[in-house]
Amino acid sequence: KQEVTQIPAALSVPEGENLVLNCSFTDSAIYNLQWFRQDPGKGLTSLLLIQSSQREQTSGRLNASLDKSSGRSTLYIAASQPGDSATYLCAVGSSGSARQLTFGSGTQLTVLP
Amino acid sequence: EAQVTQNPRYLITVTGKKLTVTCSQNMNHEYMSWYRQDPGLGLRQIYYSMNVEVTDKGDVPEGYKVSRKEKRNFPLILESPSPNQTSLYFCASTLRASYNTGELFFGEGSRLTVL
Repeated sequence: KQEVTQIPAALSVPEGENLVLNCSFTDSAIYNLQWFRQDPGKGLTSLLLIQSSQREQTSGRLNASLDKSSGRSTLYIAASQPGDSATYLCAVGSSGSARQLTFGSGTQLTVLP
Repeated sequence: EAQVTQNPRYLITVTGKKLTVTCSQNMNHEYMSWYRQDPGLGLRQIYYSMNVEVTDKGDVPEGYKVSRKEKRNFPLILESPSPNQTSLYFCASTLRASYNTGELFFGEGSRLTVL
């Protein structure tokens, strides 16, 4: 059974810093991996989706990488801003079905002004 | 506007009092799913539906029921709520379960407290 771990559970950084969030998974036979953002009192918003054949995806100041062989993904946030404060979750798709999605417990990020 | 709408957003109830959390999507999605989110445990799938009249258990279905009589609606029913069902619940949908594009749309969540 796939297990997804995100460390650290919480992270606090000053504004302007570049930072990396980590996601690890136990079964490397994945279909895709997705990073979500969750704001307090809100649902999840998809940030980046990496297919198993890809190594990375970029969107603005965000860059997500995937290393299937080591069971790891990182989300890099450049020049962090207070508006980036949120909980970031990664989710691993184990097959082509949306049913097979395993979530990590998230990293709560606080960017201090 | 494309959206998934859950109601109620917040609910405090007592043990044993039946309740229903509604979920509605306006995107004509075939696939809908319910998750619960608990501290340190991530999101865990309760039930999912591949299409109208097609539902199946997720990873933590005990104590819950669902129905899918219409494409847009997927209510979550707690027949006899217990305190261990205190949680944050999310409904999500995507166009087709068999095609995992990652375009999974989430509702804003329903925070349930069972006393």
